[in-house]
Amino acid sequence: ETGVTQSPTHLIKTRGQQVTLRCSSQSGHNTVSWYQQALGQGPQFIFQYYREEENGRGNFPPRFSGLQFPNYSSELNVNALELDDSALYLCASSFQRSDTQYFGPGTRLTVL
Amino acid sequence: GEDVEQSLFLSVREGDSSVINCTYTDSSSTYLYWYKQEPGAGLQLLTYIFSNMDMKQDQRLTVLLNKKDKHLSLRIADTQTGDSAIYFCAETGANNLFFGTGTRLTVIP
Repeated sequence: ETGVTQSPTHLIKTRGQQVTLRCSSQSGHNTVSWYQQALGQGPQFIFQYYREEENGRGNFPPRFSGLQFPNYSSELNVNALELDDSALYLCASSFQRSDTQYFGPGTRLTVL
Repeated sequence: GEDVEQSLFLSVREGDSSVINCTYTDSSSTYLYWYKQEPGAGLQLLTYIFSNMDMKQDQRLTVLLNKKDKHLSLRIADTQTGDSAIYFCAETGANNLFFGTGTRLTVIP
């Protein structure tokens, strides 16, 4: 059984660009949640996808968007990057919407 | 809204017990979690406790829950240098987790 995987590991972008981060959920899990972790902070909830539909969103602007695919993998897209978007982006999968969440290794995004 | 608070730092000597504390605000949380984060890594699930329990023990880990005071603690027995990391307490929302800012545990050899 494979765990949650994320790609890429690291990414450097410039302000105003767009970025796509990817996540493969753990085998058997149909729910993916995305979190942003700024340096020195706890993770903050961005949104959750359940069976390809958005199932809740945190306090993030619309330029943060996502997708979930039929195999339950997911993408996080961020448009018009700002310096404050620099963070570790964590993906977590769970068997169902309210179940225990298992995290991937994260993608470190740096915006210059 | 939900708010989870933790002390920022804890130092212990190798072999001693560590106790990491957390307070939370949402009394309707079904589960409360402890995650561990090593430098540059994602979050590793350590343990969790159901909200109708007072205590849960899992090998070297003991979780205590005081629902009246909304206080959660994680005790690590016989702390080892490999336990040095940041520990996050999290409470459940409708479909997400609310995390504290994390407690950095340093184990002194």
